Amino acid sequence: AQSVTQPDIHITVSEGASLELRCNYSYGATPYLFWYVQSPGQGLQLLLKYFSGDTLVQGIKGFEAEFKRSQSSFNLRKPSVHWSDAAEYFCAVGPDDKIIFGKGTRLHILP
Amino acid sequence: DTGVSQDPRHKITKRGQNVTFRCDPISEHNRLYWYRQTLGQGPEFLTYFQNEAQLEKSRLLSDRFSAERPKGSFSTLEIQRTEQGDSAMYLCASSLIIAGVGELFFGEGSRLTVL
Repeated sequence: AQSVTQPDIHITVSEGASLELRCNYSYGATPYLFWYVQSPGQGLQLLLKYFSGDTLVQGIKGFEAEFKRSQSSFNLRKPSVHWSDAAEYFCAVGPDDKIIFGKGTRLHILP
Repeated sequence: DTGVSQDPRHKITKRGQNVTFRCDPISEHNRLYWYRQTLGQGPEFLTYFQNEAQLEKSRLLSDRFSAERPKGSFSTLEIQRTEQGDSAMYLCASSLIIAGVGELFFGEGSRLTVL
């Protein structure tokens, strides 16, 4: 069965600093991978996805993620965070008929 | 495109009562999913429909839970004889699966509080 591990429950970065959120997955075949963001009182919004092809994927809001098969990882990155990026971030793994989510990483931004 | 809508957004009920949540997916989407999210956790898969057929149910979905999607349009999730442990956010998502791939579009959720 597939699973997702997000090792960091909370991360705090200063506004303007770079960000990397970690995600490790377990899946027997080539996975579909996703990052979603959830702001307080809001639904989950898709940031980016990987289905196949280029292992570096670009998403919305300046985020990118890199699929590394050898490390079973799909880490999310942003070169310079903004105060509006404070939210909870979820990594998820497919196939599409049963997408499994990690427990999330809450991002805090220092002014 | 109005997105995925869920109703009600909030529901407070007493233990033992029945509750029903409704989800209206994006109209052209062929799959509909229900997830549950508790505080500090990620969404947990409950069940999903391909058109009107319910294709998979999680072990989390006890006999008190039932989901339907009549005519492959909106879906309902009913919880009978609610328990305090049912308190959670119930999320609905839909997707358009083409050649086996697609992404989930989520509604804003229905928050259930069982007193």
